[in-house]
Amino acid sequence: QVQLVQSGAEVKKPGASVKVSCKASGYTFTNYAMHWVRQAPGQRLEWMGWINAGTGNTKYSQKFQGRVTITRDTSARTAYMELSSLRSEDTAVYYCARDDTICPDVWGQGTTVTVSS
Amino acid sequence: QSVLTQPPSASGTPGQRVSISCSGSSSNIESNYVYWYQQLPGTAPKLLIYRNNQRPSGVPDRFSGSKSGTSASLAISGLRSEDEAHYYCAAWDDSLSGPVFGGGTKLTVL
Repeated sequence: QVQLVQSGAEVKKPGASVKVSCKASGYTFTNYAMHWVRQAPGQRLEWMGWINAGTGNTKYSQKFQGRVTITRDTSARTAYMELSSLRSEDTAVYYCARDDTICPDVWGQGTTVTVSS
Repeated sequence: QSVLTQPPSASGTPGQRVSISCSGSSSNIESNYVYWYQQLPGTAPKLLIYRNNQRPSGVPDRFSGSKSGTSASLAISGLRSEDEAHYYCAAWDDSLSGPVFGGGTKLTVL
């Protein structure tokens, strides 16, 4: 079955960077794009960007442009999301999610990132 | 940033039919497919409805989706206690060039 397994929880200091991984299984990795979506405590889901796993082309939300980098390693069937210049407002659960043409279908289990001094 | 608007809460008794609305605009719901997700506490969202009214395999036919103009709805019939969760709508937004999400509706089964 299709499965996305993300890396474990992270605690970071303000100004640092965090890199979250998302390992895919159960489907042809390069045939689908991968979204990254975050959910801050009590807030709505927020789209950060996506990557075409086949070509490596990316598109980022304007809100995160310049701070987020999404990459993939096709041999490892893994996508990555790196967020830099972290601040307390970046404390959230970060999800990877496979694309169904335009919106996510299968989601990873989520990675909690806590930004605290 | 464009967002979708949902009622913060909804409720019903077992066996009842409830409906959750999602309001958007011409740049998202009116011109693109709508998706619905169910999120149980402490878990990741799960796809319930895709492309306005399609159910993934394994999702009961008690769940149905519809769309008209700039609004969409999720209906749940034969309400069950395990349906108690947060429900989110989503749609591609042409202005954002990415998906936008509703604020979520917490469904309580009384």
